[in-house]
Amino acid sequence: AQTVTQSQPEMSVQEAETVTLSCTYDTSENNYYLFWYKQPPSRQMILVIRQEAYKQQNATENRFSVNFQKAAKSFSLKISDSQLGDTAMYFCAFMSPTGTASKLTFGTGTRLQVTL
Amino acid sequence: NAGVTQTPKFRILKIGQSMTLQCTQDMNHNYMYWYRQDPGMGLKLIYYSVGAGITDKGEVPNGYNVSRSTTEDFPLRLELAAPSQTSVYFCASSFGLSNTGELFFGEGSRLTVL
Repeated sequence: AQTVTQSQPEMSVQEAETVTLSCTYDTSENNYYLFWYKQPPSRQMILVIRQEAYKQQNATENRFSVNFQKAAKSFSLKISDSQLGDTAMYFCAFMSPTGTASKLTFGTGTRLQVTL
Repeated sequence: NAGVTQTPKFRILKIGQSMTLQCTQDMNHNYMYWYRQDPGMGLKLIYYSVGAGITDKGEVPNGYNVSRSTTEDFPLRLELAAPSQTSVYFCASSFGLSNTGELFFGEGSRLTVL
């Protein structure tokens, strides 16, 4: 079974600064998908960014980018020019393409606070 | 564009009571999921469905039941509620990896069992 580990329960960053959230995972599969989801205080989970393991190029979405290190099984999220609206819980998640359903395995989350 | 709709948003149950959490999606997704979120524990998969009439257990299915009679609806039934079922429940849906694999979530249902 796959496991996802987020070792930073809480982080804080000042507005306009850059912050990196860490995620490691364990799998024996070669092809898989990784995601970062954001959960603001409203509770609804929103996809931030997605990475396919067979792609070497790191995914980027505006101010959000990842550092995907397949050999190290590491998938960190970098948020540039942090904004107050980035305050949320961030979950790293793993998806295997095998099996009959695209199920996500989540980490325990990192609570990010953006301050003035 | 409603997306994934869950009801109720909040509910308090007494030990031993039963209830159903409703979930409906209007995106014609084949895959639907129920997760529970406990403090500091991330999300755990309870049940999932790959299409109408097909359901399967996830990581933590005990104490729950589901049905999927239509593509749109995926209700979660709690029988004989216990304090250990106090949690926030999320329904989600997806096209699966035939598309981007992205899961679309509802706003969650906070359940307290006293």
